[in-house]
Amino acid sequence: EAGVAQSPRYKIIEKRQSVAFWCNPISGHATLYWYQQILGQGPKLLIQFQNNGVVDDSQLPKDRFSAERLKGVDSTLKIQPAKLEDSAVYLCASGPGQGQYEQYFGPGTRLTVT
Amino acid sequence: AQSVSQHNHHVILSEAASLELGCNYSYGGTVNLFWYVQYPGQHLQLLLKYFSGDPLVKGIKGFEAEFIKSKFSFNLRKPSVQWSDTAEYFCAVRSSSASKIIFGSGTRLSIRP
Repeated sequence: EAGVAQSPRYKIIEKRQSVAFWCNPISGHATLYWYQQILGQGPKLLIQFQNNGVVDDSQLPKDRFSAERLKGVDSTLKIQPAKLEDSAVYLCASGPGQGQYEQYFGPGTRLTVT
Repeated sequence: AQSVSQHNHHVILSEAASLELGCNYSYGGTVNLFWYVQYPGQHLQLLLKYFSGDPLVKGIKGFEAEFIKSKFSFNLRKPSVQWSDTAEYFCAVRSSSASKIIFGSGTRLSIRP
């Protein structure tokens, strides 16, 4: 079975520019997560979707970050405008949902803001 | 605030040594517990999980973890490590009262051949 796909794998932008990341979860997975992982830290949940509805976005900086999950499948995460402290790896994960909480991670997008 | 602590940031062992990585959490009530591993250049992947039942959980590649509720701990163990176990290991916890999973800061394991 195909895993979680993410693109791009790497992105370098200047501060105040905008950037978007794309995620395609494992087919049939109801739950989709976006995490931010800063170097030397564990993944921090930004937003969690169940199908196309938001379950938790309490740690999403909503003044600059936005995310959507189109038709309950693919998802995009956008940062506008970017700050230096947004430099991190952005991980997408999906899970079966329905009480199954294990997550399957994609390769991540490494963002560098200069 | 809810938190997950992994006190060992970097562990260095020789092959065949025994391994124990610590994980403590601050939630009360029912929890789901996970260990994830990230091998160099690869994705995060699930090593093992605990939902209920036997507190000693066996995972892939000879790893196991023990849930000790009274100590709020879920330590990862392996009796004899191999060079291929070199990776970063993350403990994660989900409280039954919350939907999200909180990850620890990770432990980097280096194995000397």
